[in-house]
Amino acid sequence: GEDVEQSLFLSVREGDSSVINCTYTDSSSTYLYWYKQEPGAGLQLLTYIFSNMDMKQDQRLTVLLNKKDKHLSLRIADTQTGDSAIYFCAESPPLDSSYKLIFGSGTRLLVRP
Amino acid sequence: DTGVSQDPRHKITKRGQNVTFRCDPISEHNRLYWYRQTLGQGPEFLTYFQNEAQLEKSRLLSDRFSAERPKGSFSTLEIQRTEQGDSAMYLCASSLVFSLADNEQFFGPGTRLTVL
Repeated sequence: GEDVEQSLFLSVREGDSSVINCTYTDSSSTYLYWYKQEPGAGLQLLTYIFSNMDMKQDQRLTVLLNKKDKHLSLRIADTQTGDSAIYFCAESPPLDSSYKLIFGSGTRLLVRP
Repeated sequence: DTGVSQDPRHKITKRGQNVTFRCDPISEHNRLYWYRQTLGQGPEFLTYFQNEAQLEKSRLLSDRFSAERPKGSFSTLEIQRTEQGDSAMYLCASSLVFSLADNEQFFGPGTRLTVL
């Protein structure tokens, strides 16, 4: 089945690291994505990871993938107030030629000054 | 080209009225997607086009919904006889896809529909 789950809310202090977690159920998913949504703005792709990778780092962002547990995480180092937003993980079932994205319900990140 | 644009950004209508939304994708993008997002949820897939062909429709897309992409460029999404349950943010995304490895979908700002 296709189901992506995330915790609803995370609050961190500015300068700390944030870790947003996601679990997915389609074990055949080959690409997993992290999107950011700010109020009044569209979804912005932050990063993605291919399933043959365990980790991907892109500046302040680190994605960890545990295929055995179907667990994906996004770590934001040195979190800033501008990182406050809703973060969505998403998968694209590989046997589906539409390449549509299946999103989790989002994690609201609040960065306290 | 500044990205995917959607019009209008907000629409308030009375139940039973018809509404039409427009999406202008990034030029040359061959795929165009419509998603719906309700409060507190992630976007849910509605339908997609490969050039001008509509190739898949979700079960969420009742027969009151119709989408077109007549020349393989902009797309419209029409909702007939709107119901309060149609209130949501309607998101459009486009991509230039030849394989799953190219699947970066660029999203527009959305059209927020409120049905009174």
